[in-house]
Amino acid sequence: DTEVTQTPKHLVMGMTNKKSLKCEQHMGHRAMYWYKQKAKKPPELMFVYSYEKLSINESVPSRFSPECPNSSLLNLHLHALQPEDSALYLCASSQDRGRQTSANYGYTFGSGTRLTVV
Amino acid sequence: AQSVSQHNHHVILSEAASLELGCNYSYGGTVNLFWYVQYPGQHLQLLLKYFSGDPLVKGIKGFEAEFIKSKFSFNLRKPSVQWSDTAEYFCAVNAPGSASKIIFGSGTRLSIRP
Repeated sequence: DTEVTQTPKHLVMGMTNKKSLKCEQHMGHRAMYWYKQKAKKPPELMFVYSYEKLSINESVPSRFSPECPNSSLLNLHLHALQPEDSALYLCASSQDRGRQTSANYGYTFGSGTRLTVV
Repeated sequence: AQSVSQHNHHVILSEAASLELGCNYSYGGTVNLFWYVQYPGQHLQLLLKYFSGDPLVKGIKGFEAEFIKSKFSFNLRKPSVQWSDTAEYFCAVNAPGSASKIIFGSGTRLSIRP
């Protein structure tokens, strides 16, 4: 299995709702990432998890709450979002640094969750 | 801080034309470089990467890129484009000491006229 699976593919939520985005991979990758991509813009890093521990938070507002319950799963909990948070949310994974080679270096991206906040 | 510049925001070519998309990065140390492609409505896919060794890197779908350290550049090339190459192309850089953080350029939209 060489995929990163994200669910749901589309999500519409109100500003008072609580929802969660899910990401799963079974490649044995120990680094997982959340990126946010607005239309016609590059992906922007939000969070990095390494060995299930949060290692990078790019000053993301607290209405976004990541969680890594195990080495295969990554969640992004959403609460009290704003319309400007509407975007494509991408999950990615990569091999841990100790096991990186030129062949496996780099991210594998999921298809994303297209989020609309109304 | 690392940054990646893609100066061509939108490139329009006819089928069979040759392609070169520019990418420059600002980082003085050893870097790893990537080109990702995002077809309309699809997820990011890795086209090719430079990790070490031969600076001329060949990727999927006939793409190649050349790492020129003296120019801090990693331009993407393809000798003859096809309509199916219409997509957004992102150059990205990762410095090995940056905890696997990859920084993306602003992207170049490539439109191919049939």
